[in-house]
Amino acid sequence: GENVEQHPSTLSVQEGDSAVIKCTYSDSASNYFPWYKQELGKGPQLIIDIRSNVGEKKDQRIAVTLNKTAKHFSLHITETQPEDSAVYFCAASRGNAGNMLTFGGGTRLMVKP
Amino acid sequence: GAVVSQHPSWVICKSGTSVKIECRSLDFQATTMFWYRQFPKQSLMLMATSNEGSKATYEQGVEKDKFLINHASLTLSTLTVTSAHPEDSSFYICSARSPRGGFYEQYFGPGTRLTVT
Repeated sequence: GENVEQHPSTLSVQEGDSAVIKCTYSDSASNYFPWYKQELGKGPQLIIDIRSNVGEKKDQRIAVTLNKTAKHFSLHITETQPEDSAVYFCAASRGNAGNMLTFGGGTRLMVKP
Repeated sequence: GAVVSQHPSWVICKSGTSVKIECRSLDFQATTMFWYRQFPKQSLMLMATSNEGSKATYEQGVEKDKFLINHASLTLSTLTVTSAHPEDSSFYICSARSPRGGFYEQYFGPGTRLTVT
């Protein structure tokens, strides 16, 4: 089955700096890679996703890159703000009806004002 | 994006009693819903996959007689924790899958914190 590893487990940045979270996956057939943000006491919220037919996707201050050859994908947050502080999870799946998401272990991002 | 609700958001119950948690997809129909359990500072652990109109598929190690799942309609799935014990205390999160552009995006509910005393 799929195995997703996520690094770092914790990340502390100064407000305004960039943050990068990296994930690797093992199943070369995976083709859908979402990122979730989970605030304390809440459920995960889908913030961006990327599919295997593109190498990069951007939405305002967040971007995700995908390297299918190396089987890794990354989340980039620019101009971080205190409200970006949360736990971020990456995930991978084959994207079709029969396949479930496999989650990384999570990254606790702390943005210091 | 699609909205998934859960009820209740938190519940405290006594050992030996049963608790039901509801998960609803509010603005889309979900043929498949998932139930996760999350311990503090850990990732999400899939408990079971719930398909509308059929029996749920449980992950290895999850007791199907203890965690009863019913997916009676395209917008509602329920998880009942039967004969709850303190070790069942956890954060339970449901999610619903929505097809979009040939892929299946997954949206999560806000979670239910269960405390068993």
